[in-house]
Amino acid sequence: TQLLEQSPQFLSIQEGENLTVYCNSSSVFSSLQWYRQEPGEGPVLLVTVVTGGEVKKLKRLTFQFGDARKDSSLHITAAQPGDTGLYLCAGDSGSNQFYFGTGTSLTVIP
Amino acid sequence: DSGVTQTPKHLITATGQRVTLRCSPRSGDLSVYWYQQSLDQGLQFLIHYYNGEERAKGNILERFSAQQFPDLHSELNLSSLELGDSALYFCASSKAAGTDYGYTFGSGTRLTVV
Repeated sequence: TQLLEQSPQFLSIQEGENLTVYCNSSSVFSSLQWYRQEPGEGPVLLVTVVTGGEVKKLKRLTFQFGDARKDSSLHITAAQPGDTGLYLCAGDSGSNQFYFGTGTSLTVIP
Repeated sequence: DSGVTQTPKHLITATGQRVTLRCSPRSGDLSVYWYQQSLDQGLQFLIHYYNGEERAKGNILERFSAQQFPDLHSELNLSSLELGDSALYFCASSKAAGTDYGYTFGSGTRLTVV
């Protein structure tokens, strides 16, 4: 059962553009994480959010946890080719481990 | 280098065979998680071990089994392999049993069943 749905599934944009990736669920999460995965490598943790409404910034990346802790978004400002990769959200709905979303594959064209 | 070591990096085997994937967690981490990643199923949680004990099972087939040894390394055993078992298998480690800490992933083992 896939608890987390991400959209869009694929995204191809020009360098310098802004974008937002969404992670949605019908379940409430005690915590939610975002990872980025590059081809041939394992996912790398970007951020953890635990409080409803929480906003965290990591350079050009802004992460938001929904007020009801059922959804999250990742906004990238002025995307660069180095941002290319598979973005995964992962949530803990009380099972004490993370279940991963379907993923958003981002390509930033120079 | 994430600190999580997975071997082998690539594995090609025939249907019906059995293979063992190995994972050494990051120094100081007591939890090991196994995930399977395929194109159509995404990253699927298989099993979690903490300090040698099984803590949780996810979508793990009965043909698959795992264990964590006293030195904290873990092995995932896949038997009676089928073509559909071809996937990337990732190991991740974490300091604790819960989700207060993020996971550190290895580079994965790419299994191809022919």
